[in-house]
Amino acid sequence: GIQVEQSPPDLILQEGANSTLRCNFSDSVNNLQWFHQNPWGQLINLFYIPSGTKQNGRLSATTVATERYSLLYISSSQTTDSGVYFCAVMSSGGSYIPTFGRGTSLIVHP
Amino acid sequence: AAGVIQSPRHLIKEKRETATLKCYPIPRHDTVYWYQQGPGQDPQFLISFYEKMQSDKGSIPDRFSAQQFSDYHSELNMSSLELGDSALYFCASSPGTGGYEQYFGPGTRLTVT
Repeated sequence: GIQVEQSPPDLILQEGANSTLRCNFSDSVNNLQWFHQNPWGQLINLFYIPSGTKQNGRLSATTVATERYSLLYISSSQTTDSGVYFCAVMSSGGSYIPTFGRGTSLIVHP
Repeated sequence: AAGVIQSPRHLIKEKRETATLKCYPIPRHDTVYWYQQGPGQDPQFLISFYEKMQSDKGSIPDRFSAQQFSDYHSELNMSSLELGDSALYFCASSPGTGGYEQYFGPGTRLTVT
């Protein structure tokens, strides 16, 4: 099946700092989502972005499908950004099996 | 806007008991996915349904079964529970399979003692 690798695995920031999270995938995809799992366990949709660039406030994402990677940018980080960020994909090879990466654990200190 | 509803939110069972988790998708969403997330792990896909038929199967144990009903809600049945089944179980829905955004419910936290 498709492999998904996220980096870095852990990230510690001071409030106000910027960061870039990366998601590499091993096959072409027709579905890619970024999620934030907050400390209470909720999975919150950030972006549905199988290709292209999107922005939502302090967050933006870019997927370069031909090179099989996606980037999530967090600017001016806040303590409420803490949690785990997951990338999840579905291969365009025919089955609709969602595969998550192992996530990036982010801690933002005040 | 309506979200995915899961019940119960918390469940405590003993080993060898059975459990039933329920998922109510967003209205007009015909696809449901089930996931299991162990402590410190990423969500693992279990099974999915599209238009009340099983669509894809992941790492779902034989002790587990699921179905989607005529009103599109889905139930995950878990039998002969083991300690290792303790996890957060998520349901997600989407308005189709493949190239559609998934929306996750709040999860059911199952503890097996």
